[in-house]
Amino acid sequence: SQTIHQWPATLVQPVGSPLSLECTVEGTSNPNLYWYRQAAGRGLQLLFYSVGIGQISSEVPQNLSASRPQDRQFILSSKKLLLSDSGFYLCAWSVLDLETQYFGPGTRLLVL
Amino acid sequence: DAKTTQPNSMESNEEEPVHLPCNHSTISGTDYIHWYRQLPSQGPEYVIHGLTSNVNNRMASLAIAEDRKSSTLILHRATLRDAAVYYCILRDAGNNRKLIWGLGTSLAVNP
Repeated sequence: SQTIHQWPATLVQPVGSPLSLECTVEGTSNPNLYWYRQAAGRGLQLLFYSVGIGQISSEVPQNLSASRPQDRQFILSSKKLLLSDSGFYLCAWSVLDLETQYFGPGTRLLVL
Repeated sequence: DAKTTQPNSMESNEEEPVHLPCNHSTISGTDYIHWYRQLPSQGPEYVIHGLTSNVNNRMASLAIAEDRKSSTLILHRATLRDAAVYYCILRDAGNNRKLIWGLGTSLAVNP
């Protein structure tokens, strides 16, 4: 069966520090991968998606970036965090565009 | 992008059915209707989806209006574990990977 992992579960970082969040998927090949952010009390906002290794599409201009170095690995990064980057970051995968998206457990990021 | 409108919150009693409404008056002919739910401090979980016909699965039923401008997610017997935020989302059958997530409906289930 397929599983999706995200780490860390929680993270507290100072403003201006770098960020690296990792997401890995097991049990499937060539998945579509997604990064979402959810601010407190808000809906999910799609940040990036990827249909293959090295292929990244950005949905929202920001100081975040994403990379997909391997088929089932998706990384969210920032060189310098802002206060507004605080939120709940969720990684998801799907087999095809129309298919169900399966979400990881999320990383709660607090930027101070 | 077609948008959806849901009540901010609803309340139900355990063991009773729950009908969660969703309006999507600007839906296009190729938009699928998806429902997800999010338990506290967890990632969203897929519930059900449909295009035109009503759908049933082990979690819920989806009733879609004939004009497709509204739909209702039906939980047949609410349990305490069904307390979550329920999102109604439209997905374009074309080339649209962007899901528009609203604020959803926060469902409280009373024992």
